[in-house]
Amino acid sequence: DGGITQSPKYLFRKEGQNVTLSCEQNLNHDAMYWYRQDPGQGLRLIYYSQIVNDFQKGDIAEGYSVSREKKESFPLTVTSAQKNPTAFYLCAISIVGRAVAARSYNEQFFGPGTRLTVL
Amino acid sequence: KQEVTQIPAALSVPEGENLVLNCSFTDSAIYNLQWFRQDPGKGLTSLLLIQSSQREQTSGRLNASLDKSSGRSTLYIAASQPGDSATYLCAVRPRRYSGAGSYQLTFGKGTKLSVIP
Repeated sequence: DGGITQSPKYLFRKEGQNVTLSCEQNLNHDAMYWYRQDPGQGLRLIYYSQIVNDFQKGDIAEGYSVSREKKESFPLTVTSAQKNPTAFYLCAISIVGRAVAARSYNEQFFGPGTRLTVL
Repeated sequence: KQEVTQIPAALSVPEGENLVLNCSFTDSAIYNLQWFRQDPGKGLTSLLLIQSSQREQTSGRLNASLDKSSGRSTLYIAASQPGDSATYLCAVRPRRYSGAGSYQLTFGKGTKLSVIP
């Protein structure tokens, strides 16, 4: 949404391969998140990062890894250890701490998503 | 552990009808609740955010209410249009101001809305 981009839109992975999903934002938001969405299920949090060089595991972090070397970027690597990686992956951002508008301080904004399929 | 439920899972209405989507949550200690719209194969679009101290928020034909004590929120859509057809998701943020999980949203599975012309 707006200044959040995810690439690629579609990604195909062979068994045993690691793949990296990109998430970039130009809105200067501090926090970034990765969610996984499966059919008929709610979104589940994989990892999130509130500041550069720091990130926290979410509910389903096993088989995934992330880095936050720059404020604008939060790439997600799906490793071969993730047994069922086929899903729709969504990146989100939000402001951390006080902001001029209370609503913007709390609100999460999402990117367009990447659909990953294991062949 | 917080659980969010959205009923019904799917809803079909004729164009022009007013409708209500429901969201319930098990832990009333929330910081805010957010309603999203998702079109097929797309990301989520934020519709409304209600702080825990608020009772409702309005944006155009949309009105969201929050009753924290009963663990319920509703999204009211007035004069529905075919373009409103999408899946609507609600999510709650816990009332924790620091530490792991303080910014983590818990999502419902969504209500798939179809507005028939």
